[in-house]
Amino acid sequence: QTVVTQEPSFSVSPGGTVTLTCGLSSASVSTNYYPSWYQQTPGQAPRTLIYNTNTRFFGVPDRFSGSILGNKAALTITGAQADDESDYYCVLYMGSGIYVFGGGTKLTVL
Amino acid sequence: QLQLQESGPGLVKPSETLSLTCTVSAGSISSSSYYWGWIRQPPGKGLEWIGNIYYSGSTYYTPSLKSRVTISVDTSKNQFSLKVTSVTAADTAVYYCAREGSSSLEYWGQGTLVTVSS
Repeated sequence: QTVVTQEPSFSVSPGGTVTLTCGLSSASVSTNYYPSWYQQTPGQAPRTLIYNTNTRFFGVPDRFSGSILGNKAALTITGAQADDESDYYCVLYMGSGIYVFGGGTKLTVL
Repeated sequence: QLQLQESGPGLVKPSETLSLTCTVSAGSISSSSYYWGWIRQPPGKGLEWIGNIYYSGSTYYTPSLKSRVTISVDTSKNQFSLKVTSVTAADTAVYYCAREGSSSLEYWGQGTLVTVSS
């Protein structure tokens, strides 16, 4: 059973920088998993932020960036704003057409 | 702008079959570049990828649901569909459809809540 791990919660001050991570229970995350990141606010559909590790989706501001940090995928938000307060999900592509979500990180901006 | 819209019953009885359809507009479901997927989110919980389909009919499913899930495509209507059999309360969720491309879930529908209850 593949488990994709994320921090359950995180907080950041307005204007600050935060890095959320996405790991695997039994392996290192690499670009071969094509990590992607999604933002979801309550009652809304998820919004695509990053795909293929570090490519921003259309219209996503450049204060959102993706990378591999050590053995995990990472989403960094610089200059956090109040409306960045959301749930953030990573997804890993496991091959054979299959995707797995992480459990999500609830980001608080305060 | 590509749009996806889920439709189907909002209430399903336990042990029956959940059926949803996703209608794609401003884009062709027959494009060779994309898969078309289903994702669900139980109330207050995280997202779960269910499975996907290519316009040719090739499918992939998450192992935990594979025995109960069928995804099909109707290219003439630019639609794809989800069926989940033998539903229980644990299948209560918001169900989303999405276009998969560049190894990610690019575009999402707005989601539809399906409640399993007698």
